[in-house]
Amino acid sequence: EDQVTQSPEALRLQEGESSSLNCSYTVSGLRGLFWYRQDPGKGPEFLFTLYSAGEEKEKERLKATLTKKESFLHITAPKPEDSATYLCAVQAITSGTYKYIFGTGTRLKVLA
Amino acid sequence: DSGVTQTPKHLITATGQRVTLRCSPRSGDLSVYWYQQSLDQGLQFLIQYYNGEERAKGNILERFSAQQFPDLHSELNLSSLELGDSALYFCASSVDNRANYGYTFGSGTRLTVV
Repeated sequence: EDQVTQSPEALRLQEGESSSLNCSYTVSGLRGLFWYRQDPGKGPEFLFTLYSAGEEKEKERLKATLTKKESFLHITAPKPEDSATYLCAVQAITSGTYKYIFGTGTRLKVLA
Repeated sequence: DSGVTQTPKHLITATGQRVTLRCSPRSGDLSVYWYQQSLDQGLQFLIQYYNGEERAKGNILERFSAQQFPDLHSELNLSSLELGDSALYFCASSVDNRANYGYTFGSGTRLTVV
C-alpha cells in the first residue's frame, strides 16, 4: 500500500538549534516529492519539489534532500517565525493515473 | 493572498443537509484539486479536474461530487451530511495537470456538521 510517513509528529527547538524533519515513503511510480508549510487555519504553502534521488533544494533556512526511500527537511538556525506544520507529499502514477498522497505532518515549534 | 479563492470560509449545517463549496483557481491555472483535512487523518485527496474534465479521483465518497465549469471555477457538493464530514476542505490549483510545480492552496472552508 502506498504510504507517506513523517517523523517526528512534533518538534520543539530553541531558536538557533538546527534539526531535520523526516519523510519516508513507499510508493510505486514516484514522480515527485513536495514539501509544504502550513500555518494554523491556513492552506498549505508550497516550499519545494524534488524529483530524483540526490536532488537538493534550498530556501532561506530550509534545505530539502531526497533519497530513494525518504526525504529530509533540514532547518538551520531556526527562528520563531519558522514555527508551523511541515507537510510532505508524494506524487505517483499508477496505471496512467496520477495520485497525490500527503503525510500527516510535523508540528514544529521554535522557542525564542 | 495565494490567488486561490474559496467560499464560504465557514459553514455550519445540520446532518442530512447538502452544501456547495466554491473555488476559483489562481489566474492561469487549469487544474483544480479538492482536499479534505481532518484532525485525525491529515490531508486527503478527493478529486482533480483539469480544464473542465475529471482527471483523478481519490477517497471521495459517493455522497460527494464536484465539477469544473468553463470559467474554470469548481464546486464541491456534499450531500446527506454526517457528523464525520466536519473538516476543513481545501481547494488547490496548478498550471498543469500533474502539479509538477506544486499546488497553490486556498485558505479553506471549515465545515461543521451538527
